[in-house]
Amino acid sequence: EDQVTQSPEALRLQEGESSSLNCSYTVSGLRGLFWYRQDPGKGPEFLFTLYSAGEEKEKERLKATLTKKESFLHITAPKPEDSATYLCAVQPPRDAGNMLTFGGGTRLMVKP
Amino acid sequence: EPEVTQTPSHQVTQMGQEVILRCVPISNHLYFYWYRQILGQKVEFLVSFYNNEISEKSEIFDDQFSVERPDGSNFTLKIRSTKLEDSAMYFCASSEGRLSYEQYFGPGTRLTVT
Repeated sequence: EDQVTQSPEALRLQEGESSSLNCSYTVSGLRGLFWYRQDPGKGPEFLFTLYSAGEEKEKERLKATLTKKESFLHITAPKPEDSATYLCAVQPPRDAGNMLTFGGGTRLMVKP
Repeated sequence: EPEVTQTPSHQVTQMGQEVILRCVPISNHLYFYWYRQILGQKVEFLVSFYNNEISEKSEIFDDQFSVERPDGSNFTLKIRSTKLEDSAMYFCASSEGRLSYEQYFGPGTRLTVT
């Protein structure tokens, strides 16, 4: 069974204080690892897909990296508007379907 | 920018009643999904739909649930006889399915069963 664990559960940062969120996973033959942002009462908003170990993707203050066992979402000089829950999800091999298995998320709070 | 839309945003129903949640996926997408998120818990997969049939479903998606694509734009989730434990946010998602399997989510329908 695919498992996704995110840490920490909650993270408080001061504006400008960089940090990283962790997503560790166990899945046979990972097809893709996805990062989403979720604001309270809203649907997950797609951020990145990573497909292979060593891959990196960036968007504004966010950078996602992938190894064979975990992914990191690095947040550089965060702003209050980056406050949200960040979700990680894995997708199994193509013959196992397209379903995403989500982690529990990291709730990020950035104080001005 | 194309987006997934869902209606209603909030549905209140009594236990035992049938509900239909509606979604309009992104227009050129081929794969459609339903997920749910019980308050304070993880997002959970329910079902995926491709080429007018269910392609995979989870253990949660039992006989009380059904999905349908009644026309070229809508995708629906029906719960036949709602239970208290069906109270959750229900998210529809879609993916293009040829060059990309990235799933784009709608804003969700909050279902409250009383």
